[in-house]
Amino acid sequence: DTGVSQNPRHKITKRGQNVTFRCDPISEHNRLYWYRQTLGQGPEFLTYFQNEAQLEKSRLLSDRFSAERPKGSFSTLEIQRTEQGDSAMYLCASSLSGGVNTGELFFGEGSRLTVL
Amino acid sequence: KQEVTQIPAALSVPEGENLVLNCSFTDSAIYNLQWFRQDPGKGLTSLLLIQSSQREQTSGRLNASLDKSSGRSTLYIAASQPGDSATYLCAVRSGTGNQFYFGTGTSLTVIP
Repeated sequence: DTGVSQNPRHKITKRGQNVTFRCDPISEHNRLYWYRQTLGQGPEFLTYFQNEAQLEKSRLLSDRFSAERPKGSFSTLEIQRTEQGDSAMYLCASSLSGGVNTGELFFGEGSRLTVL
Repeated sequence: KQEVTQIPAALSVPEGENLVLNCSFTDSAIYNLQWFRQDPGKGLTSLLLIQSSQREQTSGRLNASLDKSSGRSTLYIAASQPGDSATYLCAVRSGTGNQFYFGTGTSLTVIP
């Protein structure tokens, strides 16, 4: 068990460019979440997958954001036409439904985005 | 919508003290509650998970309690150490839906 892995760890981009983040969850986990965190705030929910199905998406998520989880394994989060307000830490978490600690969230180290 | 509040926002204590961090939530219909630790610039590390049917969980020097009816949870840290310095976040998963709602955290500094 290598934990949740996120890449890249840091991304600096110019406004208007597209960026993509990848998340590899803990291997047997069927649930995957994306969160966004800005300085001094708690993580804010973006979207949730159960296996390959995207079941929930925040109403705050603009159309410039899209997430996928093909084959129910790794996930990607793409931000198109980035804006300075997109600068944040993007966190991925996974969990397993069922068992004693059902639903316990495990987070990756995050991908920090800076939009210039 | 579930609202999660953590008080205090910041706390500074001398090494060795016992301390309590508070988390309150507005909707008592929760599935579970989880406490995390976050070091600067890092991801979140899970500390304790309490299912809605449980009243408390313990791990080492940490003890978390849950009172659903009053919408409160506390994280008790015994014999604090400088290595405990971090931001502590609580997250609530509502009984309906699958998303977790986070508080803004308590920033803890343990002074040697």
